[in-house]
Amino acid sequence: QVQLRQSGPGLVKPSQTLSLTCGISGDSVSSNSAVWNWIRQSPSRGLEWLGRTYYRSKWSGNYAVSVKSRIIINPDTSKNQFSLQLDSVTPEDTAVYFCARGDQYFDYWGQGTLVTVSS
Amino acid sequence: QSVLTQPPSVSAAPGQKVTISCSGSSTNIGKNYVSWYQHVPGTVPKLLIYDNNKRPSGIPDRFSGSKSGRSATLGIAGLQTGDEADYYCGTWESSLSVVVFGGGTKLTVL
Repeated sequence: QVQLRQSGPGLVKPSQTLSLTCGISGDSVSSNSAVWNWIRQSPSRGLEWLGRTYYRSKWSGNYAVSVKSRIIINPDTSKNQFSLQLDSVTPEDTAVYFCARGDQYFDYWGQGTLVTVSS
Repeated sequence: QSVLTQPPSVSAAPGQKVTISCSGSSTNIGKNYVSWYQHVPGTVPKLLIYDNNKRPSGIPDRFSGSKSGRSATLGIAGLQTGDEADYYCGTWESSLSVVVFGGGTKLTVL
């Protein structure tokens, strides 16, 4: 059974960096068939896919156009986890952030982390 | 504004059937699989339908999915009060190599 466990702060100041981690059990971040994603949800924007990382003989990733200039999603093979880094946050980035496994659909999700951007 | 268009809300009485539409374009729904998610605020989104019309293990057959051309539809039969939630469609946008979601549809069971 795949389980995703998120960790990271729930409060970030404007202009600073949001950092979250997603620990994986029951699968491998280096799997040649899995894809690892970050998705957020807010009342004003609904579900919003942010980006993904995956391994197919080499590491690759894709990012949403809306955040492409300030997002990094990195795998950590030593800890079997992956992380989200979102720079220069504003109150518009306040949302519940989820990690999730999947390519074109998402079958396993982390528990969600409410991240509030406020001074 | 979302790439995929869903009605903001739908409603129906318990026991009835409701459909939720998801409209896209030739570069997303037109050439890729569609998935559907149920989200009750404060909980984790749940995968209801994948690959247009497949149900994961544990999802009752009251939930169904279909796709035709550039649109997809989620059907929920035998509505229950527990079905009240936000429903989202999602697919791959081939022109940008990104995942896109619809804006979400709030289902009210009257």
